[in-house]
Amino acid sequence: DIQMTQSPSTLSASVGDRVTITCRASQSIANYLAWYQQKPGEAPKLLIYDASSLQSGVPSRFSGSGSGTEFTLTINSLQPDDFATYYCQQYNNYSPTFGPGTKVDI
Amino acid sequence: QLQLQESGSGLVKPSQTLSLTCAVSGGSFSSGGNSWNWIRQAPGKGLEWIGYSYHGGSTYYNPSLKSRVSVSLDRSKNQFSLKLSSVTAADTAVYYCARGYCSSASCYDYLWDVWGKGTTVTVSS
Repeated sequence: DIQMTQSPSTLSASVGDRVTITCRASQSIANYLAWYQQKPGEAPKLLIYDASSLQSGVPSRFSGSGSGTEFTLTINSLQPDDFATYYCQQYNNYSPTFGPGTKVDI
Repeated sequence: QLQLQESGSGLVKPSQTLSLTCAVSGGSFSSGGNSWNWIRQAPGKGLEWIGYSYHGGSTYYNPSLKSRVSVSLDRSKNQFSLKLSSVTAADTAVYYCARGYCSSASCYDYLWDVWGKGTTVTVSS
């Protein structure tokens, strides 16, 4: 399996901050990387796929970058609705795996 | 718009079979190239993909669960199902059903754009 790691595990921020989360893969996954947002008691929500493509309906303050083994999710001007846990996920092979998550709190 | 709703037994005894169903409303299996997936999340843990089936009937499973998993579609009822046999406490989790994402350009088996709300399954005697 391809192992995914994320840093930091928890991030404290304020409304209006610019936030960056890093995701690393144990081997190259090209750009087959997605980001999901999950709020307590809810299902994950697809934000970004193919490392940098914004899913329809997702605010433009979310952006993704990277390729190979290192990726970042950036949230510009953090909004109250953005406090959640963020997961990266690779889909380079037939066994997709997720990172352990980064919790963004106040 | 498409909605998914999980249902099934919330409490399963060790060594028995976990059975869940996902009802699809606002759409059907017959159109498009979407995969129909099950994903789970153990308490306080991360997400784990379990497996999928296509409307054509082909299936693919997480290698770590393959010997115990079955996903099937029932087009007549607009639903799909999960069976996980020989369960242990490690299978206690919130189970989600989810649709594979199709963009205007292509379909992705392992990206999921529509999810059910999830159902909690506890394995305990």
